[in-house]
Order: sequence, then C-alpha cells, then structure tokens
Amino acid sequence: AQRVTQPEKLLSVFKGAPVELKCNYSYSGSPELFWYVQYSRQRLQLLLRHISRESIKGFTADLNKGETSFHLKKPFAQEEDSAMYYCALKNTGFQKLVFGTGTRLLVSP
Amino acid sequence: DGGITQSPKYLFRKEGQNVTLSCEQNLNHDAMYWYRQDPGQGLRLIYYSQIVNDFQKGDIAEGYSVSREKKESFPLTVTSAQKNPTAFYLCASSTGGVSYEQYFGPGTRLTVT
Repeated sequence: AQRVTQPEKLLSVFKGAPVELKCNYSYSGSPELFWYVQYSRQRLQLLLRHISRESIKGFTADLNKGETSFHLKKPFAQEEDSAMYYCALKNTGFQKLVFGTGTRLLVSP
Repeated sequence: DGGITQSPKYLFRKEGQNVTLSCEQNLNHDAMYWYRQDPGQGLRLIYYSQIVNDFQKGDIAEGYSVSREKKESFPLTVTSAQKNPTAFYLCASSTGGVSYEQYFGPGTRLTVT
C-alpha cells in the first residue's frame, strides 16, 4: 500500500535558522513526489515537485529512493514560511495523490 | 485565486439530514476530487472522478455520494449514514501528464449537530 509519513506535527524554528521538514514514503513503483503548502487563510497550493528539481521560495527537496524520503529543506527560514506543509505521492499512471498528515512550520522572529 | 469555487463557506445541518456541497471549476480539467481535512489526519480522499459520468471511491467513501454530470461540476452529498460528518471539505481538480498538479478550492466547513 502507498503511504506517506510526516513524523513531525509541528516544527518551530527561529528566523534565519535552517529548516528540514521530513517526508518518508512507501511505494513499490516509481513514485512522483510533491510538496503542497497552505498559508493562513489561503488555499492549499503546490510548492514543488521532485520531477522539476527546482527551488521555490528558497525551498528544495531531493528524492532519495534508497531511503524512500523526500525531505523539504530551506537554509534560512523566514517568518512568511510559517504554514502547513503536506508531502504527497502520486502513482505513475494514476491521477490521484496520497497525502501525509502534514507538518505545521512556525517561524518565530 | 479563482478557477475552483466551493459553496457555501460554512454549512450547518441537523443530524439525520443529507447535505450537498458544491464544487465548480472553469479550468477545463478532466479530473476532480473531494477530500476531507481533519486536524492531525491530513487530507483523506473521499471520491474522485477522472472524466464526466465516471467516478471512483477514495479511501473514506462510506456515507458520501457524488455525481459528475458536467465537466465543470462535482457535487458531494454527505448522507445521514456518515457517522462523523463535521469536518472541513476540500475540492480539487487536476491537470494531467508530466505537469500534474492539483488545484484546490477554498473549502467548506460543515458542522452537523
């Protein structure tokens, strides 16, 4: 069965500190991994996808198939990064996502 | 914002009543989804539809029903059989292919008393 695990419900850091939001998955095929973000009073939206291998708002995420992980990282957190972050997995060939339980990131001044 | 609308934003119902949540999109997406969002449980898929007149059960379909008569619309009915209907409901639609992305609506908070 496909599963996405985000072990931290809450991650609290100070502005300027590095951030790593953990995501592990279980899937036997070739997964597509995503990070979605929900800022306060805004809609859930795509932050980045592993296929693009891009940096969005300073965030990066590398797919590690050996460790079945897709951790989200940012070297210097900003207060505006405070939000709910969801890791999600998509089956190749299927049009649906499996979401993790989410991690709330709180960046304090 | 825009593209996917959900109405109403807040909905209150008495126990035992069915209630229908609206979801409309003008993004010309074939696929649409309904999720339930509960604290600590993330997003759980209720139903999804990949094309008009077709839909599949998600992980927690019991007590819910959907229809997909038009490409733009994917209403969700929460029936009286749903044991714990009070929740935040999110609708989404998606592109396909290598640029797959789900676009979400603003959500409807349903309270059943």
